[in-house]
Amino acid sequence: KAGVTQTPRYLIKTRGQQVTLSCSPISGHRSVSWYQQTPGQGLQFLFEYFSETQRNKGNFPGRFSGRQFSNSRSEMNVSTLELGDSALYLCASSLGQPSEAFFGQGTRLTVV
Amino acid sequence: GEDVEQSLFLSVREGDSSVINCTYTDSSSTYLYWYKQEPGAGLQLLTYIFSNMDMKQDQRLTVLLNKKDKHLSLRIADTQTGDSAIYFCAESITGGSYIPTFGRGTSLIVHP
Repeated sequence: KAGVTQTPRYLIKTRGQQVTLSCSPISGHRSVSWYQQTPGQGLQFLFEYFSETQRNKGNFPGRFSGRQFSNSRSEMNVSTLELGDSALYLCASSLGQPSEAFFGQGTRLTVV
Repeated sequence: GEDVEQSLFLSVREGDSSVINCTYTDSSSTYLYWYKQEPGAGLQLLTYIFSNMDMKQDQRLTVLLNKKDKHLSLRIADTQTGDSAIYFCAESITGGSYIPTFGRGTSLIVHP
């Protein structure tokens, strides 16, 4: 069974630009969550999508948004990038109930 | 304060046992997880325990749960240099979003 796939693996953007990251969950998993990981803040929860609906949301500004498609693939978008958005963005998929979440390798975003 | 707390660093000698500790605050936790993150990679689920269990063993890994003290530990027997990584403790909560809440991670350094 294929794991969680995130693309691209690395990205360099300029302040003010926007970026879209993609996550393909494990087949059969309907829940996709996104996390931001930075050395200073650790792992912070961004949002979770389940069956194309945002089910949970963390404490991030509206510049961070996401969506989920009918095949459970998810994208997250960050608009008007700031230097502080530089981070490893991790996606996790699960069955959507209390169970283990499986993570992708992450997308390393650098904002210059 | 944080919901899940871990010490930041642990240094052990190769061949010794490592014990990584974690405390959590929510008594309605359902699942408690241990994840491993190697440099430049995503999070790998190592093991998890249901909150109605006291112990779980999986090869070199032993998880102990003390619900009264809200304390979780991960013991790695015969620690190897390949075990050097960051270890994250996480909990997910009954009746909540089931989104795991992560600790800041413990950097395990294994030296020869």
